[in-house]
Amino acid sequence: SAVISQKPSRDICQRGTSLTIQCQVDSQVTMMFWYRQQPGQSLTLIATANQGSEATYESGFVIDKFPISRPNLTFSTLTVSNMSPEDSSIYLCSVGRGFPYEQYFGPGTRLTVT
Amino acid sequence: DQQVKQNSPSLSVQEGRISILNCDYTNSMFDYFLWYKKYPAEGPTFLISISSIKDKNEDGRFTVFLNKSAKHLSLHIVPSQPGDSAVYFCAAGYGNKLVFGAGTILRVKS
Repeated sequence: SAVISQKPSRDICQRGTSLTIQCQVDSQVTMMFWYRQQPGQSLTLIATANQGSEATYESGFVIDKFPISRPNLTFSTLTVSNMSPEDSSIYLCSVGRGFPYEQYFGPGTRLTVT
Repeated sequence: DQQVKQNSPSLSVQEGRISILNCDYTNSMFDYFLWYKKYPAEGPTFLISISSIKDKNEDGRFTVFLNKSAKHLSLHIVPSQPGDSAVYFCAAGYGNKLVFGAGTILRVKS
């Protein structure tokens, strides 16, 4: 497994602003993933972040709205840009190991946009 | 389209009895499956996985069964304990991507 931390754990933001969420892993990993869990919903993959390359976004998510950085093998950030109340969600990062490709999750960042 | 479905939003079980959580999928490309447990205000915790070449995997009190022909998997927890009360997500994977079900709330009564 892996120990994953996220900052901040929660935030309340005003619409139109941006928030950057940090994800730190205790060991080097090739792939990191960012998910969103909207209220009452399941986890939806936003993008896959590999170190040294551009993030790969899933259908419905775009880089201008959710820019991602992956500067090294233990760290990544997700920015939620120009926020609206519909962005109120829990945002989670995860890392993958082994096969089957098990993913281990951070504690999540609970974002409320007012 | 929901590729992974957990049709039971909630399940209530007496302590010591068996809990059975079910999951159905539609995409034949999935080649592995996982179960996660999630407590409030925490991230999902990996429980157990199974490759599509197997039909059963066991880890302590947790057993996952896979029926590929029916595109169905289930998680059995025996015996159930009050600490097992949480939301359980099944996830199906292909390559390095996971698709999650909507989750089932398990309540284990003491």
